[in-house]
Amino acid sequence: DVKVTQSSRYLVKRTGEKVFLECVQDMDHENMFWYRQDPGLGLRLIYFSYDVKMKEKGDIPEGYSVSREKKERFSLILESASTNQTSMYLCASSSGGAGGYTFGSGTRLTVV
Amino acid sequence: GEDVEQSLFLSVREGDSSVINCTYTDSSSTYLYWYKQEPGAGLQLLTYIFSNMDMKQDQRLTVLLNKKDKHLSLRIADTQTGDSAIYFCAVRASGGSYIPTFGRGTSLIVHP
Repeated sequence: DVKVTQSSRYLVKRTGEKVFLECVQDMDHENMFWYRQDPGLGLRLIYFSYDVKMKEKGDIPEGYSVSREKKERFSLILESASTNQTSMYLCASSSGGAGGYTFGSGTRLTVV
Repeated sequence: GEDVEQSLFLSVREGDSSVINCTYTDSSSTYLYWYKQEPGAGLQLLTYIFSNMDMKQDQRLTVLLNKKDKHLSLRIADTQTGDSAIYFCAVRASGGSYIPTFGRGTSLIVHP
């Protein structure tokens, strides 16, 4: 069964900490994405990547960075966590064809 | 840019049919998706339809596309309590960006 695995389901971090959210896919997909999901706001795209070492800003990249050193792994980095980054973070991958995304289970991050 | 609209809530009785509606603005949308998100989980691709199709049926799920009105619907027959979830509509054009535009999701509540 194909999978996108996010390393943590729940995470609590302190304001100012550097936070790493990891995502690994086993489908050999070129495309990987990071979204955040907040009540009433739906899904908002933070960053995406079409290839190794490649990254593109999404709609809300401020306060985030990403790393894609290997095809299967796409990491989201919060350089200095703030309380307004408390959210559900969803990783997804796709092959780029007609098929849609495969999502991970999500990481619920709370910044205190 | 593309805009995708869904109503926020739908409440149905167990055993009835549910119809979740979605409208979009970009007539070049080629791939149209329905995702399901159960509480505390990521999104799961339920089904998708191409813009050259009017209808697609998959067991209890029926997707209808009215391309002229840019209207997509998902019908769930014999709705069960396990169908309670948030349902997201997403659309994207062929070629170019692989990034779909998501609606904000419809919360389906199934009561006995």
